[in-house]
Amino acid sequence: EILLTQSPATLSLSPGEEAILSCRASESVKSYFAWYQQKSDQPPRLLIYDASKRAAGTPVRFSGSGSGTDFTLTINSLQPEDFAFYYCQQRYSGLSFGGGTRLEIK
Amino acid sequence: QVRLQESGPGLVKPSETLSLICNVSGASIGRGDDYWTWIRQTAAKRLEWIGRIYPTGVTHYNPSLTSRVTMSLDKWKSQYFLTLRSVTAADTATYFCARSRYYDSLGYYYEDMWGQGARVTVSA
Repeated sequence: EILLTQSPATLSLSPGEEAILSCRASESVKSYFAWYQQKSDQPPRLLIYDASKRAAGTPVRFSGSGSGTDFTLTINSLQPEDFAFYYCQQRYSGLSFGGGTRLEIK
Repeated sequence: QVRLQESGPGLVKPSETLSLICNVSGASIGRGDDYWTWIRQTAAKRLEWIGRIYPTGVTHYNPSLTSRVTMSLDKWKSQYFLTLRSVTAADTATYFCARSRYYDSLGYYYEDMWGQGARVTVSA
């Protein structure tokens, strides 16, 4: 099973700042990789697929990068609605999720 | 617009069987490139893939759950089903059904539509 490790577990920032979230895979997943956002009492929402492509409805301030084992989600100029949980996902071998990063207001 | 809605009992006794239904509207589950997935989330907010079912009825399960899981679908009712046998407290979670959509850039699937989730507690 491919393990995904997200860091940091919690990120405290202010609106307007830039957020950088990381995810590392235990082995290469090429670019078969996604980021999801989850807000309280809601299901996850697909933000980024194929490591760097924005899903329909994802604002341009969200960008994904990386391939192989190291991936990054960058959120430029944080908006109040961006404070949520973020999960990475790989589907190169089976399907697994990272443990999540909580993005909270500082 | 595609909508998914989970339903089923919120409480299951240990060693018994958990059964959930996902009602799909706005899409045909019996044809097309999409497939249909179950994912659960524990109280610690960890997400775990349970399995998927294709329109043909072919299934793939998480190896850690495969001995206890069965998925099926009824295309006429636009429903698909999850059965999890011999449950324990570790199966307490919120269970999501989701559509896995084909994205042709790299030719892979991602979960683009989700139900709101069904909270299931395993307890005597």
